[in-house]
Amino acid sequence: EAQVTQNPRYLITVTGKKLTVTCSQNMNHEYMSWYRQDPGLGLRQIYYSMNVEVTDKGDVPEGYKVSRKEKRNFPLILESPSPNQTSLYFCASSNRDSIYGYTFGSGTRLTVV
Amino acid sequence: AQSVAQPEDQVNVAEGNPLTVKCTYSVSGNPYLFWYVQYPNRGLQFLLKYITGDNLVKGSYGFEAEFNKSQTSFHLKKPSALVSDSALYFCAVRRVGNNRLAFGKGNQVVVIP
Repeated sequence: EAQVTQNPRYLITVTGKKLTVTCSQNMNHEYMSWYRQDPGLGLRQIYYSMNVEVTDKGDVPEGYKVSRKEKRNFPLILESPSPNQTSLYFCASSNRDSIYGYTFGSGTRLTVV
Repeated sequence: AQSVAQPEDQVNVAEGNPLTVKCTYSVSGNPYLFWYVQYPNRGLQFLLKYITGDNLVKGSYGFEAEFNKSQTSFHLKKPSALVSDSALYFCAVRRVGNNRLAFGKGNQVVVIP
């Protein structure tokens, strides 16, 4: 089944403790992206990647890092999480210039206390 | 840069009545337009898209949307709403040749039995 898989689905952590949210897709998509969803703000793009070893900042990149060492994986790294990063995170992927939009993962609900 | 406006936070409609969710967009060049739906505790699911051609596009679950270039709008419609249509709806736009997808803030649709 074609899908984007995120792990974990739920995570509660403490301020300052480094964490990684994994994202993997099995559709050989070139493009991958991370979004965060907050009430009243919709989905805001954090980082995106056009292909292996090519990443760029989205609209809200502060406090986040990403890497794209393999085509299928695009982990999101929070080096020192803070409470304002409590949010619902989505990973998405697509072909280059796809007319089909994105395929989304199921989401990761992160709480930083 | 591309952007989307969804002017209403919540849309309430009685079951069986027509449903309309409004969306206007801003993009340089030709747009690709999308509607996604999000059910509670789930990821985003693709509903329909406008790429080119007929201004009225049909999608999943009986939804359709009308592209209006002069008004830069892409309103989502359903002739007869169901209680199961209660969800969060997102409009999104990207520019042809650019993978970045910009989302609106989302509209909560509540269908009243």
